[in-house]
Amino acid sequence: QLQLQESGPGLVKASETLSLTCTVSGGSISSSNYYWGWIRQPPGKGLEWIGSIYYRGSTYDNPSLKSRVTISLDTSKNQFSLNLSSVTAADTAVYYCAREGLYGSGSKRGYHFDYWGQGTLVTVSS
Amino acid sequence: QSALTQPASVSGSPGQSITFSCTGTSSDVGSYNLVSWYQHHPGKAPKLMIYEGSKRPSGVSNRFSGSKSGNTASLTISGLQAEDEADYYCCSYAGSSTLVVFGGGTKLTVL
Repeated sequence: QLQLQESGPGLVKASETLSLTCTVSGGSISSSNYYWGWIRQPPGKGLEWIGSIYYRGSTYDNPSLKSRVTISLDTSKNQFSLNLSSVTAADTAVYYCAREGLYGSGSKRGYHFDYWGQGTLVTVSS
Repeated sequence: QSALTQPASVSGSPGQSITFSCTGTSSDVGSYNLVSWYQHHPGKAPKLMIYEGSKRPSGVSNRFSGSKSGNTASLTISGLQAEDEADYYCCSYAGSSTLVVFGGGTKLTVL
């Protein structure tokens, strides 16, 4: 059974960079056609897609985050990471990592998230 | 403001059927069969309930079904149970520039 677990600081100062890591177990992040993504939920609000990375390294992120997002892979550790720069209080949220499922017969990106981590709360302090 | 519009709350009694709506535009829901739905119990990981508009992942009850008409996608739960009480989010592919958008979520209360 695939499992994902987020880790990283729970408190980040405004204007600094938020850094989180997702450790994947029960499967390899580099052995298939999957994308691996980050989603967040600010307190009292809905879910927001942050960005995703393909197992070969290409990345895609939410234009609303204005190029503050960097997502990377560490295949040797079976992990992928999120860096969000120049954070403000608006970036306070529960951050989830997730796997994107495949479309149809399994050869294309599916744009849905079939496995999720438990989430980690990151608070931005002033 | 979320890209997809969902009602803030719905309620129903055990045994009833209930339908959630998710309204987008011709740039997302209306153009692609890539709507997914998630059940979220607070403090837990969201769970995929429907993908590609109407497909159920293995292990998801057949009480959950998805459909679409025009720019609006729907999730229906039949035979409502107390354990279904949760927040439900829709999600859609939104084209090559935006890629993925979520709705604001609907809180289901089982009376």
